[in-house]
Amino acid sequence: DTGVSQDPRHKITKRGQNVTFRCDPISEHNRLYWYRQTLGQGPEFLTYFQNEAQLEKSRLLSDRFSAERPKGSFSTLEIQRTEQGDSAMYLCASSLALMGQGRTEAFFGQGTRLTVV
Amino acid sequence: QKEVEQDPGPLSVPEGAIVSLNCTYSNSAFQYFMWYRQYSRKGPELLMYTYSSGNKEDGRFTAQVDKSSKYISLFIRDSQPSDSATYLCAMRAAGNKLTFGGGTRVLVKP
Repeated sequence: DTGVSQDPRHKITKRGQNVTFRCDPISEHNRLYWYRQTLGQGPEFLTYFQNEAQLEKSRLLSDRFSAERPKGSFSTLEIQRTEQGDSAMYLCASSLALMGQGRTEAFFGQGTRLTVV
Repeated sequence: QKEVEQDPGPLSVPEGAIVSLNCTYSNSAFQYFMWYRQYSRKGPELLMYTYSSGNKEDGRFTAQVDKSSKYISLFIRDSQPSDSATYLCAMRAAGNKLTFGGGTRVLVKP
């Protein structure tokens, strides 16, 4: 396992279409995060999973966004009825946290670049 | 006002010079501080991680945290053209959400 893997790397879609992105975390990592990064800005937190449970969602995650991690392994992020303002890099990260045994910090994937035209 | 402020640069230095980067923050709950490097159109790569005030050194990189001033720094010694990238500071409280600065673009000229 060489790191966090994201698919696709690039996606161009028409406004109003739905898109889905996939993230495969580092295999032993139990925490998975989604961030969004627009040009010239730092990543902004969207949501986070501990195993299959979605434990925190940012107010940036509107009703059009949904994330799942059904078996506590890979995760998907779906955007419905895309808008031009959704154009950004969507980053996935993972980390390991075990009770009483410390944690690693987040390791990021290469991102999925979404362009809404 | 953003929770984490970082000068966007660009910061241009000659090869071999020391690169000095910094961030200020306003949330006193932040306890863990990280620096990430991001090449163009790539994901952020974790460079340094520190907890509590003080210095941490790793090869050519030194991270400093001054919690009393809410100020963190990253120094890169003997800079190389391959160090040309955007450097992002990030921090978190006891929870899991990272809050990032906007990033500083660094250009090391041969």
